[in-house]
Order: sequence, then C-alpha cells, then structure tokens
Amino acid sequence: DVKVTQSSRYLVKRTGEKVFLECVQDMDHENMFWYRQDPGLGLRLIYFSYDVKMKEKGDIPEGYSVSREKKERFSLILESASTNQTSMYLCASSLGVGSPTDTQYFGPGTRLTVL
Amino acid sequence: KNQVEQSPQSLIILEGKNCTLQCNYTVSPFSNLRWYKQDTGRGPVSLTIMTFSENTKSNGRYTATLDADTKQSSLHITASQLSDSASYICVVSPISNFGNEKLTFGTGTRLTIIP
Repeated sequence: DVKVTQSSRYLVKRTGEKVFLECVQDMDHENMFWYRQDPGLGLRLIYFSYDVKMKEKGDIPEGYSVSREKKERFSLILESASTNQTSMYLCASSLGVGSPTDTQYFGPGTRLTVL
Repeated sequence: KNQVEQSPQSLIILEGKNCTLQCNYTVSPFSNLRWYKQDTGRGPVSLTIMTFSENTKSNGRYTATLDADTKQSSLHITASQLSDSASYICVVSPISNFGNEKLTFGTGTRLTIIP
C-alpha cells in the first residue's frame, strides 16, 4: 500500500513565524503535491513537483515556497505565517507516468492554526 | 474557468438505504473523472477513476457513472453503512502537458448515515 505521511497532524503557530510542513512518501513516486483545503472551497493546489529539485506553481502559490531535495520528501514552507494561512494542508503523491488513470494518494493532513 | 459542482452539499440517510450523489463539470478538454472519499480529519482516498470513454465503474457498493456529453457524473452507494459517513469529492482532470497534475476539485457532498 502507498503510504504518504505528514510530520504533524495539528500545528499552532504565531503570525510571522516560519513554518515547515514535511511530507514523505514510500512508493518511489515521481510527483508530489501540496494542497490546502478550506470549507466551501475544495482542495486548491499550492505547488507540485515532478522530480527532485523541480517545482511548479499551482493555483495559490503566494506566501508559500517548497523544497524537494530527495525524491521521497516534499516540504512546504510558510516564510512568514499569516492568519489567512490557517487551513488544512494535504500532501499527495502519484506515480507520474502520464497515464489518465494515475492516482494521487493523499496523506492524513496537517491542520495549521496561525494565531 | 474550469469548475466542478456537486450536489447536494449534504445528505442524511438511514443505514441500509441507497443514495446518489451528483457532479457537474465544465472542464474541457477532459481526461478523466475521479471520486474520492474523505473521512473527517483524514486525507481523501480514491474510490473510482473513469476516462472519457468509460460510462460506469464500480468499487464494491460504490458505482460511478459518467456522461461526457452532458458533463455529468453520479456516485451511487448501495446498502449504506455507518462507515460510509464521509465527504465525497468529485475531481476532474483536464488534458495538460504534465498529465494529470492540475486537477479540479469539487467542494464535496457531506454524507451522514444514521442507524
């Protein structure tokens, strides 16, 4: 079974703090993704990566950066957390074969609260 | 703008009953449509994937249908169980240079099964 793990289930930070969210997958997947999920809005893509050290902006990259130094690990960084970044953050990975049936597997999520 | 709309927003049914969830989309050109199940506080889990050439796909008590002409999909749950209580998210993938990475998510239908 594919396993995607995220470093924290719950996180509370203060405005202005630098925040790191870590995601690890154990299936040698090429693609990894970071989403945020807010009530009534559905999942929105922040960044994705299709290879080590490669990244692409998603729909809402402002205020975020990412790092992928190793294939299995994809980090989301909030350089200076703000209250409007309070959200559920979901990491996902996929094989990346370009097939129409390539599936994204999600981690359990990190609920981040910025005070 | 690509959109995915789901109805109803929420649904409550008795255990053992059947139900049908709806998804309308405007994504074009269209590659595939997926249904995910998301338990409270967890990441989404894939239930079914259908390409544009498929009309129906089953996964146990879950049956998804797709009408690519009218851009509609439905998820039918048979003989509901308490464990079916979750949010069900319709996800549509356009054809893109990167394959399936840029997904469009619906906001989900919150299903509650009561004993």
